[in-house]
Amino acid sequence: EPEVTQTPSHQVTQMGQEVILRCVPISNHLYFYWYRQILGQKVEFLVSFYNNEISEKSEIFDDQFSVERPDGSNFTLKIRSTKLEDSAMYFCASGRGRGQETQYFGPGTRLLVL
Amino acid sequence: QKEVEQNSGPLSVPEGAIASLNCTYSDRGSQSFFWYRQYSGKSPELIMFIYSNGDKEDGRFTAQLNKASQYVSLLIRDSQPSDSATYLCAADNAGNMLTFGGGTRLMVKP
Repeated sequence: EPEVTQTPSHQVTQMGQEVILRCVPISNHLYFYWYRQILGQKVEFLVSFYNNEISEKSEIFDDQFSVERPDGSNFTLKIRSTKLEDSAMYFCASGRGRGQETQYFGPGTRLLVL
Repeated sequence: QKEVEQNSGPLSVPEGAIASLNCTYSDRGSQSFFWYRQYSGKSPELIMFIYSNGDKEDGRFTAQLNKASQYVSLLIRDSQPSDSATYLCAADNAGNMLTFGGGTRLMVKP
């Protein structure tokens, strides 16, 4: 069964450094998402992406964040200058459509900013 | 502000019993509702979804939706210890994003 994959599984970085989190969505899916979950808190929406552009983004997704689909398979989240409060689990998800379509989550990247 | 609320639990049920998990949402524009299971340190795993008022059954799971009351529930029949996890309710208003509740921790005791 096809699944969303994410790399790396864990990332440790110093505050102020740039990180790139990578995702390979399910191949026939057209909508891509990033969510994050700070330890012990809710899963929070960051951004959705369709047709090579951002469809929607949350207040969390400020100028420090960017997303890209550099080729036909990868979907990346870049955090330009990491802060301590960016430490969280980052989940990529993909879906075939919007609204009544299910989003399937990848295993996540645990980011720790020191 | 779109909110999805869940009782954090833990909800403790004996093995073989029915577990009942509840969720309320604030955005009347929400159209689709999803139940995900999340084991500690893992990603959300889809259990089932519901769009229409009423009940929807899938194996041991039944989702119930009442749009007038803005209420969603998940029943798990014949609960097993392996069902012990955090259950996340999520709402989608067709705005291309999911709003999650904080989750209910379920403990099924052998």
